[in-house]
Amino acid sequence: DQQVKQNSPSLSVQEGRISILNCDYTNSMFDYFLWYKKYPAEGPTFLISISSIKDKNEDGRFTVFLNKSAKHLSLHIVPSQPGDSAVYFCAASTMQGAQKLVFGQGTRLTINP
Amino acid sequence: KAGVTQTPRYLIKTRGQQVTLSCSPISGHRSVSWYQQTPGQGLQFLFEYFSETQRNKGNFPGRFSGRQFSNSRSEMNVSTLELGDSALYLCASSGTGGGNTIYFGEGSWLTVV
Repeated sequence: DQQVKQNSPSLSVQEGRISILNCDYTNSMFDYFLWYKKYPAEGPTFLISISSIKDKNEDGRFTVFLNKSAKHLSLHIVPSQPGDSAVYFCAASTMQGAQKLVFGQGTRLTINP
Repeated sequence: KAGVTQTPRYLIKTRGQQVTLSCSPISGHRSVSWYQQTPGQGLQFLFEYFSETQRNKGNFPGRFSGRQFSNSRSEMNVSTLELGDSALYLCASSGTGGGNTIYFGEGSWLTVV
């Protein structure tokens, strides 16, 4: 039972355009969501998070949107840069089990020059 | 401020052996959690320790165990290694309470032959 799903294994975007990565979850108890970027053989790097009391959070080029009724979140990167090429994971947790993250399977983002 | 430090980075073990991996959290972080990443199963939560006590546990067999010391450093142990235990083992640390960002180390690559 996969509680967090990233249905697109890969995404290719032109440099300078917007990258949109999507994530769906099934567990309505999740109330804290995070996005991580990962290169092979390295640990995930934290990008941005959002709690369920908000529907949007911005940090520089990264914006996360949360639609609680649809149990859907998305990460927008604008403008996309070649250094953004990596695997992106969304993760979810509950405030009670805050450190127990449930991860999606990841989306490989490729930014083309 | 130093990040999460994991040792060793790479190791090779033989089936049936046991292995111990070490993690030093970010200074001031009292929660340490462990994750396993494999190509087939993705990133999966192993367990979390807080104040030397296991606070959360994932769905892994009893061969996987851990502990935390009074200085918040943590170790995880896998006994009677199987080929399927070959994976990237990631340690993460965070502050207390829900909504805290969880930071990951670079990981320990374990190969079981």
